Amino acid sequence: QQQVKQSPQSLIVQKGGISIINCAYENTAFDYFPWYQQFPGKGPALLIAIRPDVSEKKEGRFTISFNKSAKQFSLHIMDSQPGDSATYVCAASRQGGSEKLVFGKGTKLTVNP
Amino acid sequence: SAVISQKPSRDICQRGTSLTIQCQVDSQVTMMFWYRQQPGQSLTLIATANQGSEATYESGFVIDKFPISRPNLTFSTLTVSNMSPEDSSIYLCSVRPLGNEQFFGPGTRLTVL
Repeated sequence: QQQVKQSPQSLIVQKGGISIINCAYENTAFDYFPWYQQFPGKGPALLIAIRPDVSEKKEGRFTISFNKSAKQFSLHIMDSQPGDSATYVCAASRQGGSEKLVFGKGTKLTVNP
Repeated sequence: SAVISQKPSRDICQRGTSLTIQCQVDSQVTMMFWYRQQPGQSLTLIATANQGSEATYESGFVIDKFPISRPNLTFSTLTVSNMSPEDSSIYLCSVRPLGNEQFFGPGTRLTVL
């Protein structure tokens, strides 16, 4: 009930391509879905987040798509760049200051030049 | 957002010894957490560090093994006690200043020989 399943585990994309990472959740009470970007040797950095009142949120080249009926959300990176090479981690929780985030296992993205 | 620093950034320790990790935040925050990140695994919450009271531990984590102090709203320590090689991991401090947005420190990479 508390799991967030993330796929793929790793992804290799050519420069300029689209990177797509998917997450699925089980708990229908979840209503906050952030994505984190983590470079080697660094902590996770909040990248973008979505709430279920919208189906899509875009910030620059990064877009979250949300499908409430399928209990899935995904991160799309348009025009992928070598500098985007990092591990991307999705998470989910209920809204509220005391609610705990449940994390996916991460996707290691490599963007080849 | 919040700026979080951790000390040490990395350490190599002998089994049976203890290591204390410090977390400093640039602003007062109520919600502060300690996580463990192991290769191929989801970020795992160890405990919530409560200011002025005992930490709240997640299932599988105990105070004797991971004592936590939180003397004020900007600082916390996590001690990994009586270490074994299985404790080798990245330990991350995290805060939630307001609402759902949660931020992570740079992490402490611990290797136990």
